[in-house]
Amino acid sequence: KAGVTQTPRYLIKTRGQQVTLSCSPISGHRSVSWYQQTPGQGLQFLFEYFSETQRNKGNFPGRFSGRQFSNSRSEMNVSTLELGDSALYLCASSYNERTGGSKDTIYFGEGSWLTVV
Amino acid sequence: GENVEQHPSTLSVQEGDSAVIKCTYSDSASNYFPWYKQELGKGSQLIIDIRSNVGEKKDQRIAVTLNKTAKHFSLHITETQPEDSAVYFCAASEEYGNKLVFGAGTILRVKS
Repeated sequence: KAGVTQTPRYLIKTRGQQVTLSCSPISGHRSVSWYQQTPGQGLQFLFEYFSETQRNKGNFPGRFSGRQFSNSRSEMNVSTLELGDSALYLCASSYNERTGGSKDTIYFGEGSWLTVV
Repeated sequence: GENVEQHPSTLSVQEGDSAVIKCTYSDSASNYFPWYKQELGKGSQLIIDIRSNVGEKKDQRIAVTLNKTAKHFSLHITETQPEDSAVYFCAASEEYGNKLVFGAGTILRVKS
């Protein structure tokens, strides 16, 4: 079974540009969440999508947005990039049927490394 | 909101020794506690998780213990090997959602 797949793995953008990152969850998983990892702030929750609806949101500015498609694939977008947006962006997926048990285990992809110059 | 503290920030052990990393959480509603291992340049790999209805879980050389009353949980690695060297993150979450709150991480170095 394929794991969580994120593309692209590495990218460099210029300040002011926008970027879109993609995440394909594990087959059958319907919940996708995104995290930002930086040396200074650690791993921080961005948002979570379940069945194409944003279910939870972290404390990030409106420049950070996301969406989920009917096949559970998700994209996140960052507009008007700032130097401080340079980070590893991680996607995680879970079955999350709200019944507990092993289906709710959360798995991460390898991340997309974004450098803003 | 939830806050997770993780200690120590760095840990060096001799190959074959045990390593223990501890985390405390603040929100008594949290009931799912995973541990992730991150190697240089890679994402976070789930190594073990525990839910609040159990106090301990073991998987070969790795074990996790949970004390709900004290709101802390710990990762135990026995017979450490050089390939265990990595950054380890603890996290806490309410079970019915994907919002994980992470600790700051522990750099584990296993010296051979």
